[in-house]
Amino acid sequence: EVQLVESGGGLVQPGGSLRLSCAASGFTFSSCAMSWVRQAPGKGLEWVSAIGGSGATTYYADFVKGRFTISRDNSKSTLYLQMNSLRAEDTAVYYCAKDPGSGPEGTFDSWGQGTLLTVSS
Amino acid sequence: QSALTQPASVSGSPGQSITISCTGTSSDIGSYNYVSWYQQHPGKAPKLMIYDVSNRPSGVSNRFSGSKSGNTASLTISGLQAEDEADYYCSSYSSSTPYVFGAGTKVTVL
Repeated sequence: EVQLVESGGGLVQPGGSLRLSCAASGFTFSSCAMSWVRQAPGKGLEWVSAIGGSGATTYYADFVKGRFTISRDNSKSTLYLQMNSLRAEDTAVYYCAKDPGSGPEGTFDSWGQGTLLTVSS
Repeated sequence: QSALTQPASVSGSPGQSITISCTGTSSDIGSYNYVSWYQQHPGKAPKLMIYDVSNRPSGVSNRFSGSKSGNTASLTISGLQAEDEADYYCSSYSSSTPYVFGAGTKVTVL
């Protein structure tokens, strides 16, 4: 059974930094592209960033370019999101999501339960 | 990175069929057969219901079906049930970013 377990969320002041983690199990982690998708309170889903199975290729939404960095450790089956220069509008539940392909194929076939990031002073 | 366009809400009575549309552009839906649909109940993670336009993952009811014409994809729920009341999101592969979502549609079972 595929499991994705996010951690690392919490309360951060504007301008601060935080790193999210997603521990994966139940599938060959290195064979699948992974993404972070967020959902602000009462709002819709918003794709944030993706990384190919090998980790060589990364993708970012314009609103996080230069502030967030996605990475993965295939030896630990773990996905990361380093978030810097955080803003109030980054407040959201952050989901880790699995694409069935090694490169992004436009589908998320498994999701974690999410971790809440609150950016506030 | 414009979102795909979905109706804000759709409603139907139990047993009826409803269809949710998802309109994109030639850079996403119109050029790729990588359209997915997700169901999200309040406080829960999204669940994949349809992938690659019209394929159902194992375990998803055959009351859910998907299609595409031009730049518009559609999700049809037939035999509407109370448990189908949820938010539904479409997504597509896009030439500008790997993924783009719709704003979501709230389905209400009357």
